[in-house]
Amino acid sequence: DGGITQSPKYLFRKEGQNVTLSCEQNLNHDAMYWYRQDPGQGLRLIYYSQIVNDFQKGDIAEGYSVSREKKESFPLTVTSAQKNPTAFYLCASSIHSFEGGNTEAFFGQGTRLTVV
Amino acid sequence: AQSVAQPEDQVNVAEGNPLTVKCTYSVSGNPYLFWYVQYPNRGLQFLLKYITGDNLVKGSYGFEAEFNKSQTSFHLKKPSALVSDSALYFCAVRLRDDKIIFGKGTRLHILP
Repeated sequence: DGGITQSPKYLFRKEGQNVTLSCEQNLNHDAMYWYRQDPGQGLRLIYYSQIVNDFQKGDIAEGYSVSREKKESFPLTVTSAQKNPTAFYLCASSIHSFEGGNTEAFFGQGTRLTVV
Repeated sequence: AQSVAQPEDQVNVAEGNPLTVKCTYSVSGNPYLFWYVQYPNRGLQFLLKYITGDNLVKGSYGFEAEFNKSQTSFHLKKPSALVSDSALYFCAVRLRDDKIIFGKGTRLHILP
């Protein structure tokens, strides 16, 4: 089945530890995204990537890092510098806007990160 | 700045009544607009998207959206609400550099 997979679904970490969230897609999409969701704040863009080996900061990139070494994978690392990392994290993918600007994004099921 | 606004945090509608969830946008050029729905602890599901030239767009589950260029709005509508429509709804806009911006979301409650 084609789709986008995030793992794990739930993640617990101690304060001060880095943690990496996985996002894999087999849709052959070039563009991939990471969003953070907090109650009442909607989805806020952390990072996005239009192509392999390239990515851009979103609105709340501080304390996060990403890599895009393969087309199908876009892992997100939540570093110890992120002051309030407990949240629901969503990954998405899409084709490029120049291939079809009004093409929708496909979302994974999310990872709920709790830092204690 | 390019943005999307959903002015209502919550909308309550009686089952069987028509519903509207509001969205306004501020982008340069022709907008690429979308509506998504989210159920608890799940990812977002695509509902519908604006197609240039169509002021009324039909989507999944009986939803439709009305595009109004002069009011820069893209309101989500449904003629007759179901209890199962209760969820969190997001309006989004896609920019030319592939960045996708979401509104803060509107929680829709359909009352039996």
